[in-house]
Amino acid sequence: EDQVTQSPEALRLQEGESSSLNCSYTVSGLRGLFWYRQDPGKGPEFLFTLYSAGEEKEKERLKATLTKKESFLHITAPKPEDSATYLCAVQAGWNTGKLIFGQGTTLQVKP
Amino acid sequence: SAVISQKPSRDICQRGTSLTIQCQVDSQVTMMFWYRQQPGQSLTLIATANQGSEATYESGFVIDKFPISRPNLTFSTLTVSNMSPEDSSIYLCSGKQAYEQYFGPGTRLTVT
Repeated sequence: EDQVTQSPEALRLQEGESSSLNCSYTVSGLRGLFWYRQDPGKGPEFLFTLYSAGEEKEKERLKATLTKKESFLHITAPKPEDSATYLCAVQAGWNTGKLIFGQGTTLQVKP
Repeated sequence: SAVISQKPSRDICQRGTSLTIQCQVDSQVTMMFWYRQQPGQSLTLIATANQGSEATYESGFVIDKFPISRPNLTFSTLTVSNMSPEDSSIYLCSGKQAYEQYFGPGTRLTVT
């Protein structure tokens, strides 16, 4: 069964304290790994799609990496405005477009 | 990127009634989806909205409860029928464009 597990469930950081969020997956044929940011009361905001092991993508203070079994979202020198829930999802088939989501990591960055 | 809007943004409904949620995308997308996000939980796919044909439903979701239409490439509706308090959730529309998938702001539904 396709499955996505994110850790930790919650993370508290001080402003400027870099860290990483983990997304482990088991899927029969990965067709894309997606990272989203979700603020309270809003829909998920697209961040990255990764397709192959070794691939990396960056956006401002965020950097996503992918291996054959997991993905990391690295947050460098976070700011309070980076506080949100970060969701990881995998697409298991080319034609379906179906995303299977993890439970998310809620990040709080304190000033 | 695609910008997705939904109407209504929230609603409070009586048990046994139905609510139709509208989803509009500002540009063409290849695929459209409807997800549910129950309180404190992550997103679960309800169905894929197919243009001009019946939607494809995931296990545990049925057409009689969640009828879906997609008359064109940029518009879809989801109806939550014969509602019960267990249907209280956020319902999210999503559109796939190339290698990216975007979400609407969600419709927060409370059933009393």
